Amino acid sequence: EVQLVQSGAEVKKPGESLKISCKGSGYSFTSYWIGWVRQMPGKGLEWMGIIYPGDSDTTYSPSFQGQVTISADKSISTAYLQWSSLKASDTAMYYCARRPAYGDTIDYWGQGTLVTVSS
Amino acid sequence: QSVLTQPPSVSAAPGQKVTISCSGSSSNIGNNFVSWYQQLPGTAPKLLIYDNNKRPSGIPDRFSGSKSGTSATLGITGLQTGDEADYYCGTWDSSLSAVFGGGTQLTVL
Repeated sequence: EVQLVQSGAEVKKPGESLKISCKGSGYSFTSYWIGWVRQMPGKGLEWMGIIYPGDSDTTYSPSFQGQVTISADKSISTAYLQWSSLKASDTAMYYCARRPAYGDTIDYWGQGTLVTVSS
Repeated sequence: QSVLTQPPSVSAAPGQKVTISCSGSSSNIGNNFVSWYQQLPGTAPKLLIYDNNKRPSGIPDRFSGSKSGTSATLGITGLQTGDEADYYCGTWDSSLSAVFGGGTQLTVL
């Protein structure tokens, strides 16, 4: 069974750093892309970027370029999303999601990680 | 402002049919496959339709998808109260950059 299991909810202060994770199982982690999607409270889905764990090829949405870093450790089948200095506006639910290497869809989603940034 | 345009809400009675539209452009829907996702309250999105009109295993045939030019449509027949959710269309505007609609809230009256 394919699963993407994300790390737990986080409460942080503005200016703090954060790294959240997404562990894949039930499939070949290095053969699928992993993307990250933001959903702000009561809002829609926003694409942040994507990584291919097989070779760490990474692409960012222009809106998130320079704001976050996406990485992966294929030895433990885990992708990461990190911030160096959080802002209150980063408060949102973050989902990781899988894209087949030769497909045009997002076929599996993680359960989401709620990040709350508040002083 | 989402790249793809969906109606904010639709509603219909149990047992009836509803359609949800998704409008884009030649740089996204016009040249890529469209997917649809269902997000039940408090849960993660779930793939409902891919490659414009294909259903993943386990998705009932009450759900259907179509695409014409730069627009796509999700159809749901035999509406059930359990179908109440937000529905999102999605595609790509480059090979690795996804775009989504703003979401449509379905109410089953």
